[in-house]
Amino acid sequence: DGGITQSPKYLFRKEGQNVTLSCEQNLNHDAMYWYRQDPGQGLRLIYYSQIVNDFQKGDIAEGYSVSREKKESFPLTVTSAQKNPTAFYLCASSMEGAGNQPQHFGDGTRLSIL
Amino acid sequence: RKEVEQDPGPFNVPEGATVAFNCTYSNSASQSFFWYRQDCRKEPKLLMSVYSSGNEDGRFTAQLNRASQYISLLIRDSKLSDSATYLCVVRLMIYNQGGKLIFGQGTELSVKP
Repeated sequence: DGGITQSPKYLFRKEGQNVTLSCEQNLNHDAMYWYRQDPGQGLRLIYYSQIVNDFQKGDIAEGYSVSREKKESFPLTVTSAQKNPTAFYLCASSMEGAGNQPQHFGDGTRLSIL
Repeated sequence: RKEVEQDPGPFNVPEGATVAFNCTYSNSASQSFFWYRQDCRKEPKLLMSVYSSGNEDGRFTAQLNRASQYISLLIRDSKLSDSATYLCVVRLMIYNQGGKLIFGQGTELSVKP
């Protein structure tokens, strides 16, 4: 059945290490998004991509990188430059081009510092 | 001023109560509006879109007032299973960049027996 799959569910990062969070969707959606959620706060946009091979910075892109080589996949790398990476990371997708379409979320990855 | 602002909560209500959530947004260019529900330690899930004429889905009613830049969600006959955090979400269409969602910080609802 169709959906958005994020992996892993839990991830631990050592100091100075880069880690990559996976996001795959089989909904044939054009647009994909990465958000970060901290306790008691709203979601904040890290990066988004409207089409393959194109992506844009969101509000808090520093310390993160993404790629969009395939329509189905939008991995997020948390680099060592991100000094406060502990958060709940959510990937979403939507049918872009139709402005009223909502975004649908994967079930998230919890990242913690070791 | 936050772009999307919600009642701070938490709301603690008995089963069967009617509860209303309020939300205001600051950008008049906002084009689409949604309510999402988020259970503890889970991903947000779409509850309902909000249309200009107002819309209802069972016990849930959403209203939009563009002039006041105000959105509301009413839950009637609340159930224990309604306990969650409710997120007000606004979509901005940015020229040549598509839509951007702006999330409120959420209002927590706890329904007690």
